Amino acid sequence: DTAVSQTPKYLVTQMGNDKSIKCEQNLGHDTMYWYKQDSKKFLKIMFSYNNKELIINETVPNRFSPKSPDKAHLNLHINSLELGDSAVYFCASRPRQANSPLHFGNGTRLTVT
Amino acid sequence: GQSLEQPSEVTAVEGAIVQINCTYQTSGFYGLSWYQQHDGGAPTFLSYNALDGLEETGRFSSFLSRSDSYGYLLLQELQMKDSASYFCAVPTGGGNKLTFGTGTQLKVEL
Repeated sequence: DTAVSQTPKYLVTQMGNDKSIKCEQNLGHDTMYWYKQDSKKFLKIMFSYNNKELIINETVPNRFSPKSPDKAHLNLHINSLELGDSAVYFCASRPRQANSPLHFGNGTRLTVT
Repeated sequence: GQSLEQPSEVTAVEGAIVQINCTYQTSGFYGLSWYQQHDGGAPTFLSYNALDGLEETGRFSSFLSRSDSYGYLLLQELQMKDSASYFCAVPTGGGNKLTFGTGTQLKVEL
């Protein structure tokens, strides 16, 4: 299946821990994103990479570090997790063409206790 | 900055027609998109309007008025499976990212 896949689907951890979320797309897209969706369902962009290069960093705390080893993968590492980091994190990708739609992964629900 | 406002919740009965509005403020405009998200699921693309007017895709239509900075999503012959959140979105940052509206929770009742 062609898709954006992210793992894990659920992540429950304690404050202060470090965790990673992985994302892979086999759609051949050039651009990948991380979005955060809070409890009010507000979708906010965090990062964008174009062909492994960081192009958007939306004033996210530096505890969040994205890494793109190649244009098909965009991982998110979070250090020193805080209660406020609890949210659903979505990976997404899109082709290079202007105004092409985003394709989202199924999300990772992160719960920090 | 940019902002996109939508009603937080809309309720309608099965078989009815419902309109979900979106007003936006952006610096530079590249078109208005709509996404659907079921509870526990991923947002999925519904439609895109670059120019003024109505775009129809099956039971769903989307309208844009650039002079009014306004658009809407029209859902006809509502079905229970249409119960979901609907988000309008505009490209920002020179088109490099998609900024989403506040989202509208649609509840379809029998």
